[in-house]
Amino acid sequence: DTAVSQTPKYLVTQMGNDKSIKCEQNLGHDTMYWYKQDSKKFLKIMFSYNNKELIINETVPNRFSPKSPDKAHLNLHINSLELGDSAVYFCASSQARGLANEKLFFGSGTQLSVL
Amino acid sequence: GQQLNQSPQSMFIQEGEDVSMNCTSSSIFNTWLWYKQDPGEGPVLLIALYKAGELTSNGRLTAQFGITRKDSFLNISASIPSDVGIYFCAGQLGAGSYQLTFGKGTKLSVIP
Repeated sequence: DTAVSQTPKYLVTQMGNDKSIKCEQNLGHDTMYWYKQDSKKFLKIMFSYNNKELIINETVPNRFSPKSPDKAHLNLHINSLELGDSAVYFCASSQARGLANEKLFFGSGTQLSVL
Repeated sequence: GQQLNQSPQSMFIQEGEDVSMNCTSSSIFNTWLWYKQDPGEGPVLLIALYKAGELTSNGRLTAQFGITRKDSFLNISASIPSDVGIYFCAGQLGAGSYQLTFGKGTKLSVIP
């Protein structure tokens, strides 16, 4: 019954590989997000989708490509992984944009380690 | 972009003590939120504040929305070991802005 679930929990891979992280929410929310948390625990937004439409795209390398097949899913694909991509990636969701959308519900994170 | 200064960066306290942490901003925010992150988990919302001067409690936690709208405070009374974690403040600029700006977190350690 997890509200926001993301897989995998841990991802260890070699530099140069391509990998995907999946996220699903069963809260009926319209907006989903990807956040990156670095080793100093700083949380930084990467992308946000509202009803499958991209609404926030921070300065993120083109190697990162989000995909939202429907409003309950937001996946993150990363091409040509680099050492600096190592971090914990959090998926989150909130209600419709403009309406109590500040209350984010986070997944439990995907710890990505690039070797 | 917006910056939130959260302090202290870390705290070590004895069980039973009260804790205070705060967040300040150079910009005015319309909403302040406080989250807690347990090890290996995502942040969980503790308290949301919507009006300047608002004081809201959630059990032993009390948070306040500063009068200037540029700061917020979180207090934890009578700390217990399960209060351990990282506490984040977050601010939202307001109508039309759906993006949260997070502070850098306060890592709380409670010594039994």
